[in-house]
Amino acid sequence: DTAVSQTPKYLVTQMGNDKSIKCEQNLGHDTMYWYKQDSKKFLKIMFSYNNKELIINETVPNRFSPKSPDKAHLNLHINSLELGDSAVYFCASTRGRGNQPQHFGDGTRLSIL
Amino acid sequence: GQQLNQSPQSMFIQEGEDVSMNCTSSSIFNTWLWYKQDPGEGPVLLIALYKAGELTSNGRLTAQFGITRKDSFLNISASIPSDVGIYFCAGHPVRGGATNKLIFGTGTLLAVQP
Repeated sequence: DTAVSQTPKYLVTQMGNDKSIKCEQNLGHDTMYWYKQDSKKFLKIMFSYNNKELIINETVPNRFSPKSPDKAHLNLHINSLELGDSAVYFCASTRGRGNQPQHFGDGTRLSIL
Repeated sequence: GQQLNQSPQSMFIQEGEDVSMNCTSSSIFNTWLWYKQDPGEGPVLLIALYKAGELTSNGRLTAQFGITRKDSFLNISASIPSDVGIYFCAGHPVRGGATNKLIFGTGTLLAVQP
């Protein structure tokens, strides 16, 4: 039933490790996104894919690498995790590339020790 | 990165009161969206606005797309305890191009005392 689902919901790991977050949407949307929400609740776009093509890359360190195996999935791999990567990461999706509302997952809370 | 100015930053009200919050920008937007975020969950769309001057309601919620296309407001009437959460405005700037980039406001934290 879930429209945009992310796994895991919580991720606690040591500095320097590599980790991945997965996202899947069953809405038939063409475009998917990754957002980062910091401790002050600011939501900032990181990446966007449309039909497996990268269309937004917002000055994110290259330790972050998104991968879209098909238009229903967008995963985020993070290398060499740093303390400043601690945040909640949200996946979202929308129909087409126009100005349609985005639908969000419930987030992955990443904590770096 | 670009952010929308949202005010107030927080509101503490009594159940039954009406609430008003707004969002402003220095540039023009094509769409305005209002989302609500509950603790531990993702933002959920409340209202979407697509035309300057448009006034749209969703139950006790009413939102308007400003005539100048640089602002929007959200009103909540007769607030109830489950209205508690963070409310975000968001919009697609005219200069966003074909990337469908969504810019978010800074959020308004709403607390409702029963």
